[in-house]
Amino acid sequence: GAVVSQHPSRVICKSGTSVKIECRSLDFQATTMFWYRQFPKKSLMLMATSNEGSKATYEQGVEKDKFLINHASLTLSTLTVTSAHPEDSSFYICSARLTKGQGAEGNIQYFGAGTRLSVL
Amino acid sequence: DAKTTQPNSMESNEEEPVHLPCNHSTISGTDYIHWYRQLPSQGPEYVIHGLTSNVNNRMASLAIAEDRKSSTLILHRATLRDAAVYYCILRDVRMRLGNEKLTFGTGTRLTIIP
Repeated sequence: GAVVSQHPSRVICKSGTSVKIECRSLDFQATTMFWYRQFPKKSLMLMATSNEGSKATYEQGVEKDKFLINHASLTLSTLTVTSAHPEDSSFYICSARLTKGQGAEGNIQYFGAGTRLSVL
Repeated sequence: DAKTTQPNSMESNEEEPVHLPCNHSTISGTDYIHWYRQLPSQGPEYVIHGLTSNVNNRMASLAIAEDRKSSTLILHRATLRDAAVYYCILRDVRMRLGNEKLTFGTGTRLTIIP
């Protein structure tokens, strides 16, 4: 199956700093990537949909100026948590789907291993 | 998205089959049934999906009721590595490209007893 690499796996930062998380599709092209957030013992909540070459679509209640998403190529999307605060501490997970035309597997999303952000 | 209902938790003995149920009584004709699982401290992992017919792959089997209002994920021989949260998700095949988001419910936490 396709592989999605997410980096870093864990980051600890001071309050007020910005943190960038990278999501790469290693062996396939991904027109669309998704960013999720998961709090302890809770389910995944979609934050935004990232489309290559265009602005991301944010879910209701997610501040686009706080969570900056850039999808500059078909294999890379980044999420930057700006001016992070302790309440932003969470498990952030990205996913990607195959670009249309890469077969029936286009229905499947492939997830990164997640980034655990701890803001002190 | 049409809603799914799963038990919060289940237990199974190691090396025995596991049947994880999912109810989706409001499923539409264009909804695929997807199953993902999330191991502890990992991102979710695709398991299997189907539309009407039962499906098999190397990880599991998916049994879909004739009226499609319920489905069952079958792990034929559970191992300790199968301990995870299992999510049953419906996805409309008509979803416009770029909007194929997955909506995760609370899933079923599967515990495997050695």
